[in-house]
Amino acid sequence: NAGVTQTPKFQVLKTGQSMTLQCAQDMNHNSMYWYRQDPGMGLRLIYYSASEGTTDKGEVPNGYNVSRLNKREFSLRLESAAPSQTSVYFCASGSDTQYFGPGTRLTVL
Amino acid sequence: RKEVEQDPGPFNVPEGATVAFNCTYSNSASQSFFWYRQDCRKEPKLLMSVYSSGNEDGRFTAQLNRASQYISLLIRDSKLSDSATYLCAVNINYQLIWGAGTKLIIKP
Repeated sequence: NAGVTQTPKFQVLKTGQSMTLQCAQDMNHNSMYWYRQDPGMGLRLIYYSASEGTTDKGEVPNGYNVSRLNKREFSLRLESAAPSQTSVYFCASGSDTQYFGPGTRLTVL
Repeated sequence: RKEVEQDPGPFNVPEGATVAFNCTYSNSASQSFFWYRQDCRKEPKLLMSVYSSGNEDGRFTAQLNRASQYISLLIRDSKLSDSATYLCAVNINYQLIWGAGTKLIIKP
């Protein structure tokens, strides 16, 4: 049972570099989410997609873009990475109850 | 004031003891409530939903107090494997708002 998958698991970037985090789910959920988790701050919503073709900003969208490619896939892009974006990124899917991918640990130097 | 607040702990508890922690929320329109468990360097995993009437799953009991706007989690006969961070989540308008988590350490 794959559930929610994310790639890559780890990434180190230099300031100004770009990258895309990939997420896919096989649970046929309409809603998908991107969070970041920083020590002592809990999970903060970056962007979400309530259905294929729609995306909305969450609490901390600045510096990020997203694409809901189809019902299964929801990607997060950092166009010009900054050290403040060093974090653990989780993708999730589901409506009331959410299910999480294993996370991407990103370090921006 | 944060929308969802938890005592960060850590709670250091001997094996076999009972431990309880709360999570307070500020929005009275909150629709549903959850407890998740997160192990170190892993993703959050659903532990249990919290129903208005309270619910139990083995050694775990969750309760909701709408009047005082908090949910609670009680763990009986704690095991070493219960050591983790426990996150509460509150659904408001189809988005989950998260507490920062309570760290629990079970000691032999």
